Amino acid sequence: DAKTTQPPSMDCAEGRAANLPCNHSTISGNEYVYWYRQIHSQGPQYIIHGLKNNETNEMASLIITEDRKSSTLILPHATLRDTAVYYCIVGPNDYKLSFGAGTTVTVRA
Amino acid sequence: NAGVMQNPRHLVRRRGQEARLRCSPMKGHSHVYWYRQLPEEGLKFMVYLQKENIIDESGMPKERFSAEFPKEGPSILRIQQVVRGDSAAYFCASSTDPGNTIYFGEGSWLTVV
Repeated sequence: DAKTTQPPSMDCAEGRAANLPCNHSTISGNEYVYWYRQIHSQGPQYIIHGLKNNETNEMASLIITEDRKSSTLILPHATLRDTAVYYCIVGPNDYKLSFGAGTTVTVRA
Repeated sequence: NAGVMQNPRHLVRRRGQEARLRCSPMKGHSHVYWYRQLPEEGLKFMVYLQKENIIDESGMPKERFSAEFPKEGPSILRIQQVVRGDSAAYFCASSTDPGNTIYFGEGSWLTVV
């Protein structure tokens, strides 16, 4: 599976948009970009995934660059409950998700 | 719609004892996966099961670990003769199909003393 690079941590102000970057320059044509998050002492929570096109759901938006070498997860209006570790995962559309260190996002009041 | 249910949430075992972790998938899901998260490490895939079948156990340690998903009842991850290195969070996940979105449970935290 392609390797991903995420910043180890970032802060965000409550009510503002949080933009989480992810680099995946070795992504191959059949690999998807997945985002999960893990709030402390809880299980990973699915956020969104995409292949080529930008995607949006009730939780977030996923912007994938045209060359697919990077992507950005956007939380439109961050709340304190969005404080978590966010994982960007690249891989085939199957069950073997490879979680890295992720980005620890802290939303501050 | 209940999510993936795991129990117990916390389990303490002495070295050499057995640990049994249970997982009930989401309603309508027949594919179950177990992942392990060691302290300060990322989640790692262990095993994929369908009812009565182990499909992929490539991430499972060869000794002391076993998993099952019987025709009736929850999936069970069994760890025999636990050692301190087995202390970790064990997450179960499920999906309707191996190519569809995977949803995780809240995890079972095993502490070996």
